[in-house]
Amino acid sequence: QQPVQSPQAVILREGEDAVINCSSSKALYSVHWYRQKHGEAPVFLMILLKGGEQKGHDKISASFNEKKQQSSLYLTASQLSYSGTYFCGTAYAGNNRKLIWGLGTSLAVNP
Amino acid sequence: SQTIHQWPATLVQPVGSPLSLECTVEGTSNPNLYWYRQAAGRGLQLLFYSVGIGQISSEVPQNLSASRPQDRQFILSSKKLLLSDSGFYLCAWSVQGLAGGPGGLKNEQFFGPGTRLTVL
Repeated sequence: QQPVQSPQAVILREGEDAVINCSSSKALYSVHWYRQKHGEAPVFLMILLKGGEQKGHDKISASFNEKKQQSSLYLTASQLSYSGTYFCGTAYAGNNRKLIWGLGTSLAVNP
Repeated sequence: SQTIHQWPATLVQPVGSPLSLECTVEGTSNPNLYWYRQAAGRGLQLLFYSVGIGQISSEVPQNLSASRPQDRQFILSSKKLLLSDSGFYLCAWSVQGLAGGPGGLKNEQFFGPGTRLTVL
């Protein structure tokens, strides 16, 4: 039931793009994306509800493919501040209060 | 605006000693509350969540327990700590919304600053 995140780690140069995927074997109700910097608490980025919507926040956007039960996080023109570990949390119909978390994708942006 | 507090920020405890971590939320009422543990370099493990005073759902059977004595207070406890209890403990809250309302559909979780626990 735990969603699978890929890749496990990404190293970018400043200005490059990256895509992080989060896949579930079970029908999703919603997908949440968070970023955690070393030693800090996770910070909420965005949430996508089933319906295939796409959302954006500055140069970070995400999509939800209901057919594939997958969400993708897109980071464009990456900045040094984007470095951290990205987690997806998935909720399922019947109990959307509880999130099941992926193992995270470590992103390092170098100058 | 809403804020979430956790204390202590760091804790070093011997094996077999008791534990009490506290979390309080301000600026909202009747929130969902969560306790997570994160081992070094690992993902988030949900330990407990609560939808109201005295209502606790346990996700992982272990030597930890949780209580919610007041609406915006969530406490994580142990009678005897194990080495494996070391980790980063995070409290989180979300809106207790109704189905069809923004909180009920979305349920974004907001995290406190965390407590770093080392059991020696």
